[in-house]
Amino acid sequence: EVQLVESGGGLVQPGRSLKLSCAASGFTFSNFYMAWVRQAPTKGLEWVTSITNSGTSTYYRDSVKGRFTISRDNAKSTLYLQMDSLRSEDTATYYCTREDLGQLNWFAYWGQGTLVTVSS
Amino acid sequence: ETTVTQSPASLSMAVGEKVSISCKTNTDIDDDMNWYQQKSGEAPKLLISEGNILRPGVPSRFSSSGYGTDFVFTINNVFLGDEGIYYCQQSDNVPLTFGSGTKLEIK
Repeated sequence: EVQLVESGGGLVQPGRSLKLSCAASGFTFSNFYMAWVRQAPTKGLEWVTSITNSGTSTYYRDSVKGRFTISRDNAKSTLYLQMDSLRSEDTATYYCTREDLGQLNWFAYWGQGTLVTVSS
Repeated sequence: ETTVTQSPASLSMAVGEKVSISCKTNTDIDDDMNWYQQKSGEAPKLLISEGNILRPGVPSRFSSSGYGTDFVFTINNVFLGDEGIYYCQQSDNVPLTFGSGTKLEIK
């Protein structure tokens, strides 16, 4: 059974940093692209960033480019999201997701999410 | 960037009725549209992937159609357990973008 378990969320002041982790199990982690998708309170879904299975290529939405960094450790089956220079508009539940078929496409599996609140 | 316009924003249906949700894109995305269900307090769940492919374990009451810029998601014979918010998402190009969601209430 595919499992994705996020951790690292919490309350952080604007301008500060936070690092999210996602522990994956139930599949061969190194075979799949991974992504972070977020959802602001009472709002819709928003793709944030994706990473190829090898970690050699990454993709970001414009609003987080230069501030967020996605990475992965295939030996530990863990995905990360380093979030720097956080803004109030980054407040959201962040979901770790697994994509399919070795490409950017749909989000086949989701974790339970971790809430990030950016506030002074 | 491909914009996805989803409608309606909300629906109130009776058990057994047919639900239709529309998503339109501002660029041609072939059949690269995906559909998700999000129940209250839960993570989204993928129901249908590119090419109108029903995911394993998803009831055949759920279906979708469309190509290019116009897409429709359908639930036949809606159940009480189908309540939630439904999202479409295009996977043709980056940034991957979602529709704004349709909240389905079952009367």
